[in-house]
Amino acid sequence: AQRVTQPEKLLSVFKGAPVELKCNYSYSGSPELFWYVQYSRQRLQLLLRHISRESIKGFTADLNKGETSFHLKKPFAQEEDSAMYYCALRGATNKLIFGTGTLLAVQP
Amino acid sequence: GAGVSQSPSNKVTEKGKDVELRCDPISGHTALYWYRQSLGQGLEFLIYFQGNSAPDKSGLPSDRFSAERTGGSVSTLTIQRTQQEDSAVYLCASSLGFRLAGDEQFFGPGTRLTVL
Repeated sequence: AQRVTQPEKLLSVFKGAPVELKCNYSYSGSPELFWYVQYSRQRLQLLLRHISRESIKGFTADLNKGETSFHLKKPFAQEEDSAMYYCALRGATNKLIFGTGTLLAVQP
Repeated sequence: GAGVSQSPSNKVTEKGKDVELRCDPISGHTALYWYRQSLGQGLEFLIYFQGNSAPDKSGLPSDRFSAERTGGSVSTLTIQRTQQEDSAVYLCASSLGFRLAGDEQFFGPGTRLTVL
């Protein structure tokens, strides 16, 4: 079965604190993982993809095939990071399978 | 150039009526996707087009839902005999397609459907 699990519905941290948004997946093949972000009143947009091994807005995510995880991390949270974050897996067709999302709230 | 556009932005309808939702993908994108975003179900895949054909329509929840794409561009999602549980935000996305590694899907602003 193809599945993405984001165990936290809400993650609240203070500005400057480290952030880790958890994502675990289930997929029988070689996975392609993405993090999408949706800021308030904006459309869903790609944050980063595992294949690029990039850092966007200070966020990084490493694919751990042994633990089937793709956690999103940032060492120092900023208030502008407050948003809904979705982990997604690209399935056998091109469709994205999304987790249920984690709302990140960064308090001043 | 413009991103993915969708119309209408909001649609309120009565139970039992049919609705049509439109998506204009980014020019040159061969792949087009429909998703549904609702409070109870999160983001669900509905259907995927490559060109004008739909190799994966496994996410359509019932035969009341159908979609078509013409000219490899505009797509219409039709919901017949709407039910209250159809209330959601319907998102369209497009991408270059062809199973490119890291192929990014670009999302539209969505159509918020409310069934009374």
